[in-house]
Amino acid sequence: AQSVAQPEDQVNVAEGNPLTVKCTYSVSGNPYLFWYVQYPNRGLQFLLKYITGDNLVKGSYGFEAEFNKSQTSFHLKKPSALVSDSALYFCAVRDMAGGYQKVTFGTGTKLQVIP
Amino acid sequence: ETGVTQSPTHLIKTRGQQVTLRCSSQSGHNTVSWYQQALGQGPQFIFQYYREEENGRGNFPPRFSGLQFPNYSSELNVNALELDDSALYLCASSPGLAGVGVEQYFGPGTRLTVT
Repeated sequence: AQSVAQPEDQVNVAEGNPLTVKCTYSVSGNPYLFWYVQYPNRGLQFLLKYITGDNLVKGSYGFEAEFNKSQTSFHLKKPSALVSDSALYFCAVRDMAGGYQKVTFGTGTKLQVIP
Repeated sequence: ETGVTQSPTHLIKTRGQQVTLRCSSQSGHNTVSWYQQALGQGPQFIFQYYREEENGRGNFPPRFSGLQFPNYSSELNVNALELDDSALYLCASSPGLAGVGVEQYFGPGTRLTVT
């Protein structure tokens, strides 16, 4: 089955500094990859996706992600972190196990931006 | 256009009881997916409905069942509740199967507590 791994439970970064939230994937075939964000007591919100094309994908709220096939990674990045970026971030991948298409989420990374 | 809504917001049930959770999809979306998110975990796929037919199921027992109606709203039913069913239940709608690369729009979730 396809899967994603988020190796860091929590990432701390100072406001104004660049941030990176890591994600690696394991798939057979071409990966469809997603990033979602979850604010406290809220549902998930879509940030960006990679299906094909440019390895650098731009998304909402100034976030971007870099698809790296050789390293099987899809790290989320932002040049300058805001306190309001503090939230839970989930990487996800298309999973075709069982003969149908669904999305499988990682375990999440808590991002804490320190003022 | 209205977003995805879920009801109720919170629910407390006793072990062995049955519960029905409801979801209203975003306008124009024909696919609904249900997820279970335990505390500190990523969303786990329960099942997906596409045009009123179940189109994929995760590793959940048959006591988890669902329906999608002609207006594409949906219900999640859980019978014989167990303590481990306590979680946030998320509904997500999309204009097509989530696995084909479309983004999902999540509702705020229903927090179910089983005592």
